[in-house]
Amino acid sequence: EVQLVESGGGLVQPGGSLRLSCAASGFAFSNYEMNWVRQAPGKGLEWVSHIMSVGSPIYYAGSVKGRFTISRDNAKNSLYLQMNRLRVEDTAIYYCVRDGDGYQSRGDYWGQGTLVTVSS
Amino acid sequence: QTVVTQEPSLTVSPGGTVTLTCASSTGAVTSGYYPNWFQQKPGQAPRALIYNTNNKHSWTPARFSGSLLGGKAALTLSGVLPEDEAEYYCLLYYGGAQPWVFGGGTKLTVL
Repeated sequence: EVQLVESGGGLVQPGGSLRLSCAASGFAFSNYEMNWVRQAPGKGLEWVSHIMSVGSPIYYAGSVKGRFTISRDNAKNSLYLQMNRLRVEDTAIYYCVRDGDGYQSRGDYWGQGTLVTVSS
Repeated sequence: QTVVTQEPSLTVSPGGTVTLTCASSTGAVTSGYYPNWFQQKPGQAPRALIYNTNNKHSWTPARFSGSLLGGKAALTLSGVLPEDEAEYYCLLYYGGAQPWVFGGGTKLTVL
């Protein structure tokens, strides 16, 4: 069974940093492209970042480029998101998302998310 | 900035048919945008329904289908069930440095 379990969310002040982790199990993690997608309270989905199975290339949404860094450790079956210079508007549930086997299959499995709150 | 537009809300009767659409600010949506569709119920993570315009996942009920319609991506639900009441999101591929953009979502009410 595919499982994606996020951790690392919490309350942080504007300008602060946080590192999210996603522990993957039930599939060959090193073979899959991965993403972070976020959802602000009561709002829609926003794609944040994507990383290829071998670690590059990497893509970011314009709203986080230069502040967030996605990475993965295939030996540990883990995905990460380092978030720096956090802003109030970064407050959201952050989902770890796996891309599927099918051609251009995006987000076939999602974690339950971890809440990041940026507030003073 | 690229904007992907969906109907904010739609209402359908049980057993009915409804089509949700997904438009791009850059022009007509074609197969090269590889539309993906997701369903999200309150308090839950999104669930993938359709990928690459019209391909279903193994868990996607047969009543869901994807297509291109009038320059937009479309998700059609036929024989709607009360459990289909949810928010639906499309995702389009643009390539380049920021390849993927979600639509704003459609809240589907079954009434």
